[in-house]
Amino acid sequence: AQSVTQLDSHVSVSEGTPVLLRCNYSSSYSPSLFWYVQHPNKGLQLLLKYTSAATLVKGINGFEAEFKKSETSFHLTKPSAHMSDAAEYFCVVSDRAGAGGYNKLIFGAGTRLAVHP
Amino acid sequence: KAGVTQTPRYLIKTRGQQVTLSCSPISGHRSVSWYQQTPGQGLQFLFEYFSETQRNKGNFPGRFSGRQFSNSRSEMNVSTLELGDSALYLCASSSGTYYTGELFFGEGSRLTVL
Repeated sequence: AQSVTQLDSHVSVSEGTPVLLRCNYSSSYSPSLFWYVQHPNKGLQLLLKYTSAATLVKGINGFEAEFKKSETSFHLTKPSAHMSDAAEYFCVVSDRAGAGGYNKLIFGAGTRLAVHP
Repeated sequence: KAGVTQTPRYLIKTRGQQVTLSCSPISGHRSVSWYQQTPGQGLQFLFEYFSETQRNKGNFPGRFSGRQFSNSRSEMNVSTLELGDSALYLCASSSGTYYTGELFFGEGSRLTVL
């Protein structure tokens, strides 16, 4: 079975400093991994996805993530935080086991990012 | 292009009642998925519909059901509401033809059960 573990429930950074949100995954085969973001009272938006192409994945708003198979990690980074980055971030793995498995996503518990001036 | 639209945005029900939530996907999208989001359990997959057929189902009791219409619009129903059903219910759509994992989410329907 596939699963993801987000190692921090809350992360606080100052504006202009780097952001690191950590995620470890568990999968019995080559996974498809995603990061989604949820701003307050909004739905979720896809930031980036890894689907076995390049291990360094670039997403929207300056975010990127690196797939490291040896460490079973898929950490999300951004060089310089902006106030508008304050939101909840979810690391997600797709579950393709069983019949179909299409579009069944398994979400981590989420990391709430706070950005201070 | 309009996004995913969910109605109603907020609703309050009492225990034992039933509720129906509606989702209109992005035009041209044939797959609609539903997720439940609660502070305690996080985001959990309910079910997915594609071309009016349930293609995948999560681990929820039979009180949770859904359907999809020929225009891809979807509804989910929860019968005999319990306090624990209080949650944000999110609908997501995708083209659905091939697996991508990229879903487009609506803003959700927030259900409060008293």
